[in-house]
Amino acid sequence: SQQGEEDPQALSIQEGENATMNCSYKTSINNLQWYRQNSGRGLVHLILIRSNEREKHSGRLRVTLDTSKKSSSLLITASRAADTASYFCATGNTGFQKLVFGTGTRLLVSP
Amino acid sequence: DAMVIQNPRYQVTQFGKPVTLSCSQTLNHNVMYWYQQKSSQAPKLLFHYYDKDFNNEADTPDNFQSRRPNTSFCFLDIRSPGLGDAAMYLCATSRDLERAGEQFFGPGTRLTVL
Repeated sequence: SQQGEEDPQALSIQEGENATMNCSYKTSINNLQWYRQNSGRGLVHLILIRSNEREKHSGRLRVTLDTSKKSSSLLITASRAADTASYFCATGNTGFQKLVFGTGTRLLVSP
Repeated sequence: DAMVIQNPRYQVTQFGKPVTLSCSQTLNHNVMYWYQQKSSQAPKLLFHYYDKDFNNEADTPDNFQSRRPNTSFCFLDIRSPGLGDAAMYLCATSRDLERAGEQFFGPGTRLTVL
């Protein structure tokens, strides 16, 4: 299975701290994305990084990709209580880029 | 605003009673997807439509069917829901298959099976 694995499974921090989540995958990819899912809601696309990119920024989000290690990390800086959610990585392969989701990291940001 | 809409947001059905979930999109995207997400698990792709072409994932049970009468609408039919089918069902779209990696998700329908 190409399913990614994320770590940690759960992360609890205080507002203002940085949160780092990691994603590992098994096969070669065309792109990797991160999604946020608030409790009981749909998925919100955060950021996409292509296989020829190493780092990407979007606001307080920083994503890195290391294709040699088949891993990616998502850094949320200066976290807020509103960042509390589950975060999933998803990989797209070449050809039909079916998304394969990782297992998710549940982030809790306390005020 | 262009978006993906799912109705209803919450659906309760009885064991074995057919149920249909609805998804519509105003993005004019060619591809529509249905995912099943069980509690604390990753979303799992059930099938997708590229225009009118239906593509079933190999491990999607026969109990799950889909219809796409036009570009805007796609339905998920569960013919005989079992207790194990209780889950969040997510609809998503992408402009085309080459950009399947950039999917837009609806808010989901949470299905309860009694």
